[in-house]
Amino acid sequence: DAKTTQPPSMDCAEGRAANLPCNHSTISGNEYVYWYRQIHSQGPQYIIHGLKNNETNEMASLIITEDRKSSTLILPHATLRDTAVYYCIVSVGGANNLFFGTGTRLTVIP
Amino acid sequence: DADVTQTPRNRITKTGKRIMLECSQTKGHDRMYWYRQDPGLGLRLIYYSFDVKDINKGEISDGYSVSRQAQAKFSLSLESAIPNQTALYFCATSDSGQGYGYTFGSGTRLTVV
Repeated sequence: DAKTTQPPSMDCAEGRAANLPCNHSTISGNEYVYWYRQIHSQGPQYIIHGLKNNETNEMASLIITEDRKSSTLILPHATLRDTAVYYCIVSVGGANNLFFGTGTRLTVIP
Repeated sequence: DADVTQTPRNRITKTGKRIMLECSQTKGHDRMYWYRQDPGLGLRLIYYSFDVKDINKGEISDGYSVSRQAQAKFSLSLESAIPNQTALYFCATSDSGQGYGYTFGSGTRLTVV
């Protein structure tokens, strides 16, 4: 599975959009981009995923560049409860497992 | 009730003791996983199982064993616990491994003294 690069930490003001970048320059054509988050020491929680097109759900939006070498997770109106570690993962569908790197620690500031 | 239940939530054990961590799920998923997380690090895969008869080692299986007693139950054992196995352990399930479909338990915090 392709490796990803994320900044170790980011801050965001409450109510503002949080934009979390992820580089995955070696992504293969059949690999999806998945985002999970881990709040405190709870189990990771799925957020969103995409292959080529931008995606939006009730939690977030995912913007994937045309060359698919990078993506951005957008939390449109960050709240204090969005403070968490966010993991960007690339993997083929049906892979044996997901590789969780160290992620980005997002701190939402009041 | 939680979809993926891990017991115990916290455990302190002594070096050399055998300990079992248990995981049960009501998702009906075929695949189950055990991950380990050390402070400040991501999750690392210990073992995974695609069905009752299929058990596979992950990247850090040494010192661990597993048992898939039923589709819904997957246990992780430390045969002789050592201090560097102190970590947070997560069980997860998925349906055919689709990356968006992983459901994690709440974790077991294990301390080996």
